[in-house]
Amino acid sequence: AIRMTQSPSSLSASTGDRVTITCRASQGISSYLAWYQQKPGKAPKLLIYAASTLQSGVPSRFSGSGSGTDFTLTISCLQSEDFATYYCQQYYSYPQTFGQGTKVEIK
Amino acid sequence: QVQLVQSGSELKKPGASVKVSCKASGYTFTSYAMNWVRQAPGQGLEWMGWINTNTGNPTYAQGFTGRFVFSLDTSVSTAYLQISSLKAEDTAVYYCARDPSSGWGRANWFDPWGQGTLVTVSS
Repeated sequence: AIRMTQSPSSLSASTGDRVTITCRASQGISSYLAWYQQKPGKAPKLLIYAASTLQSGVPSRFSGSGSGTDFTLTISCLQSEDFATYYCQQYYSYPQTFGQGTKVEIK
Repeated sequence: QVQLVQSGSELKKPGASVKVSCKASGYTFTSYAMNWVRQAPGQGLEWMGWINTNTGNPTYAQGFTGRFVFSLDTSVSTAYLQISSLKAEDTAVYYCARDPSSGWGRANWFDPWGQGTLVTVSS
């Protein structure tokens, strides 16, 4: 199975900050990568698919980039509602696998 | 709108069985694959497998064969996850999640997700 590694595992930031989360695949996955946001007690919510395509209704402060093995999720101006855990997921091949998550906390 | 609504939390004893339901609405149920994802307490997301809602054929990820069964009732647009011989380590939130493309047999992202069903296994 393809292993997905996110960094950092957690970070502290303030509203208004620019935040970057990295996801690395153990082998090339082209652009078959999605990002999800999960808040405590809630289901994951799709933010981005195909590495950089913003899901309908997701604020434009979220953006994704990368291809091959290295990917980035950027939140350009952190809002209070963005404090959550973020997961990357590869869908290049079965089994789909997720990163371990990055928790974005309030500084 | 496209929505998946899951059944409520369950508390079961070791060795028992549980059946979690996932009712779909807002789209043609039999046109999109349904996936199941597990999240153990405080842990990440683990894909369990998927079911072809057109043929009923399930595919299980490694580690989810034997005690885990995916099934359907297309007359009520509902997918089911049954777990038998429950163990303490099965304690987790179980999510159903739709493949948003209308193709079959190709890995994909998931959207939307059900709200999750907490299954607690404890004596």
